[in-house]
Amino acid sequence: QSALTQPPSASGSPGQSVTISCTGTSSDVGAYNYVSWYQQHPGKAPTLMIYEVNKRPSGVPDRFSGSKSGNTASLTVSGLQAEDEADYYCSSHAGSSKFVFGTGTKVTVL
Amino acid sequence: QVQLQESGPGLVKPSETLSLTCTVSGASINTNYWTWIRQPPGKGLDWIGYIYDTVNIDSNPSLKSRVTMSLDTSKNQFSLNLISVTAADTAVYYCARRGLPGGFDYWGQGSLVIVSS
Repeated sequence: QSALTQPPSASGSPGQSVTISCTGTSSDVGAYNYVSWYQQHPGKAPTLMIYEVNKRPSGVPDRFSGSKSGNTASLTVSGLQAEDEADYYCSSHAGSSKFVFGTGTKVTVL
Repeated sequence: QVQLQESGPGLVKPSETLSLTCTVSGASINTNYWTWIRQPPGKGLDWIGYIYDTVNIDSNPSLKSRVTMSLDTSKNQFSLNLISVTAADTAVYYCARRGLPGGFDYWGQGSLVIVSS
């Protein structure tokens, strides 16, 4: 199973929106609605931000939203805030309870 | 509140076995999919595998021949063994719970394991 493809970086000014893509194949992202997104600040463990493509766990601001079309999933962060600056990783079910992560995107708040 | 904590040696010699334990509090080890994930320094996340019970265990095809996982229900712990390690296995190792559909909702703080002689 190959890592899902994400852009290395993305940026936006405070208050703006940024969208991160996550491209897989018809065997992972395209096959299942089990796409999740994680935020990771330096030196910290990842935190779940989105699961099942577009659902937010309790406590995650509604500024974070997810979607999927075909083999590509997306995470949008609206109303960017300084604390949103972090690395973001997508993940997808890849069949038989296996999972694969994305290559990661560093989001910078300008 | 669910909490996970990794423990184990921080330094392992090449060709030896990496062993880590994850202690879970606030949830029973008898339910949910318990997962190992690693992150080499400066790199992305890599799914290692999961254990659900003594029968339902699976791992990343790239590591399958070297990975074993187990549960200790009496201690509410699960463990990872990775044999024949090399420098490429140097990483922060996380244990996590897959408590939501396709989502890892609780993570340990991570345990850095360095493979070096």
